[in-house]
Amino acid sequence: DTAVSQTPKYLVTQMGNDKSIKCEQNLGHDTMYWYKQDSKKFLKIMFSYNNKELIINETVPNRFSPKSPDKAHLNLHINSLELGDSAVYFCASSQGVSPDLANYGYTFGSGTRLTVV
Amino acid sequence: QKEVEQDPGPLSVPEGAIVSLNCTYSNSAFQYFMWYRQYSRKGPELLMYTYSSGNKEDGRFTAQVDKSSKYISLFIRDSQPSDSATYLCAMILYNQGGKLIFGQGTELSVKP
Repeated sequence: DTAVSQTPKYLVTQMGNDKSIKCEQNLGHDTMYWYKQDSKKFLKIMFSYNNKELIINETVPNRFSPKSPDKAHLNLHINSLELGDSAVYFCASSQGVSPDLANYGYTFGSGTRLTVV
Repeated sequence: QKEVEQDPGPLSVPEGAIVSLNCTYSNSAFQYFMWYRQYSRKGPELLMYTYSSGNKEDGRFTAQVDKSSKYISLFIRDSQPSDSATYLCAMILYNQGGKLIFGQGTELSVKP
């Protein structure tokens, strides 16, 4: 049983298209995240939801819109895709946002490799 | 200047070597420190965490934190080819919504 699963694993699309990435976790965690990893492996937070409420919204173009229908799901919709959006997008989850986070850490999905051509 | 600096490598060592991976950080408010391991085309997985200055050992891995120097290290003893991966340090501020700040990651290759 995959703890944090993302779909699709690979996404190749043309500039200007709109695409969505889906994430589901079966760990019973109440917090979910989207991270972006660029070509240099630098991992940066984009958004965080705690019990369906947006709690972190980093400086991300408003073409990116997260949606959390329930605490087990967090989706990412991207409008008008640009070449610079090419990256690996990771979903993650954790139980809360307290120091226990350091104890158990996040659980990451395997990533969605987005290529914009 | 990034909040967390980490040499991206790549670092190549022979099997059995002791590996030292390091990160420096600028924000003295960071309270919790973690090391993640990321295999190719996989998500990062938590390797070790610590929140106080000093050493913490887990098998072949030792995490070291020096808050006065804003410097953290991960040592891998008797390195194995299966340790070949990217190692990312990560830090967290209390009450920041669980936001992890990552270093760039160091790519490690252990040659048989």
